[in-house]
Amino acid sequence: GQNIDQPTEMTATEGAIVQINCTYQTSGFNGLFWYQQHAGEAPTFLSYNVLDGLEEKGRFSSFLSRSKGYSYLLLKELQMKDSASYLCAAVTTDSWGKFQFGAGTQVVVTP
Amino acid sequence: NAGVTQTPKFQVLKTGQSMTLQCAQDMNHEYMSWYRQDPGMGLRLIHYSVGAGITDQGEVPNGYNVSRSTTEDFPLRLLSAAPSQTSVYFCASSRRTGKADTQYFGPGTRLTVL
Repeated sequence: GQNIDQPTEMTATEGAIVQINCTYQTSGFNGLFWYQQHAGEAPTFLSYNVLDGLEEKGRFSSFLSRSKGYSYLLLKELQMKDSASYLCAAVTTDSWGKFQFGAGTQVVVTP
Repeated sequence: NAGVTQTPKFQVLKTGQSMTLQCAQDMNHEYMSWYRQDPGMGLRLIHYSVGAGITDQGEVPNGYNVSRSTTEDFPLRLLSAAPSQTSVYFCASSRRTGKADTQYFGPGTRLTVL
C-alpha cells in the first residue's frame, strides 16, 4: 500500500521562501509529482521527480530522496497568487496511470 | 485541443437517484481516472482505466461504476446517490509513454446529494 503525508497548512510573507515537505511509504515507487490547486479549480502540474536530486523551474524547485522517502517543493519569491493548495502524488511501476495523492498543503501568502 | 472536459459543472441529486458524470479528452491519452475531493482528504481515486475496454478499481469504488468503450470517453455512474457522495469529482487523463507522465485534469463536477 501507499501512505503520503504533507503538512496541512503553511503561512508565509510575500517575497519569502516556503518549503513544503512530503513523505511517502510505497512499494514499487517510481516518481513523485507536485500539483498546484487554486480554490475552486482543477490541479495543475508543477513538477516531476523520479531520480534523486533537485529539479528547478523558475521560482519553483522540487527535491527527491528515494532512500528517505522524502520530497519537498520550494517556492521562492512568494507572490500573492501563490496562495493555493499544493498536492504531492506518487506513482508506482505497476501502473503508470494510477496516482496516489497526499491531502494537500494549503499555503497562505500574506502581504 | 479542448483537453479534458467534464459535464455537468454542478449537480444536485436526491438520495437514491442515479446519474452519469461525463468525461471526455481529445489528447488520445490511454490513461483516464476519476477522483473525488473532499475537504481535508485530498484526491482519492475512484476508478481508473489503462485503455479502451480496461478498467480497475481505485481506493473508493463503492457506489460507482465506470466503462471505457472508446479512448476519448470515461463516464462515471452513480447507481443510487447517497449524501456521502457529496463531493467534487475530477476526471484526469495521461499518456502511456513507458514512464510516468503528468495527469491533465478536467474542471470538475460539484455534486450535492440531499
